[in-house]
Amino acid sequence: DAKTTQPPSMDCAEGRAANLPCNHSTISGNEYVYWYRQIHSQGPQYIIHGLKNNETNEMASLIITEDRKSSTLILPHATLRDTAVYYCIVRVDTGANSKLTFGKGITLSVRP
Amino acid sequence: NAGVMQNPRHLVRRRGQEARLRCSPMKGHSHVYWYRQLPEEGLKFMVYLQKENIIDESGMPKERFSAEFPKEGPSILRIQQVVRGDSAAYFCASSLHLQGAGETQYFGPGTRLLVL
Repeated sequence: DAKTTQPPSMDCAEGRAANLPCNHSTISGNEYVYWYRQIHSQGPQYIIHGLKNNETNEMASLIITEDRKSSTLILPHATLRDTAVYYCIVRVDTGANSKLTFGKGITLSVRP
Repeated sequence: NAGVMQNPRHLVRRRGQEARLRCSPMKGHSHVYWYRQLPEEGLKFMVYLQKENIIDESGMPKERFSAEFPKEGPSILRIQQVVRGDSAAYFCASSLHLQGAGETQYFGPGTRLLVL
């Protein structure tokens, strides 16, 4: 699976949009971009994923560049409860290679 | 729809004892994954199972660790003769496995194992 690069940390003000970047310059054409987060020591929580097109759900938006070498996760109105470690993962969706490879992620701190 | 369930949530064992961790996948999911998170470290893949089959065990330690996902009942991660270094959070995830459609794994709350 391709490797991802994320800044170690960032912060944003409550109520503002949080834009979390991720570089995946070696991504292959059949690899998906997944985002998970882990709040304190809870189980990782799925946020969103995409292949080529931008995606939006009730939690966030995922913007993937046209060359697919980077993406941005957008939390439109960050709250204190969004403080967590966010993981960007790229993965081929084939049966034997279904494991998720977690990096260090980016620690998002939402300040009041 | 109940999520992935894991039990126990906390488990304390003495060195040399056995630890059994259980994972019930989401309803309808037939694929289970186990991950381990050592203190202050990231999550590491251990094993991927389908019903009655081990698909990928590349992350499993060679000794003392085993996993199964029987036709009936939960998936079990078994650690024999535990040592202090096994103390960690163990997370289970499950997926529906719609091949070619982006297979999403959903995680359980984890089991915190403490070896004294």
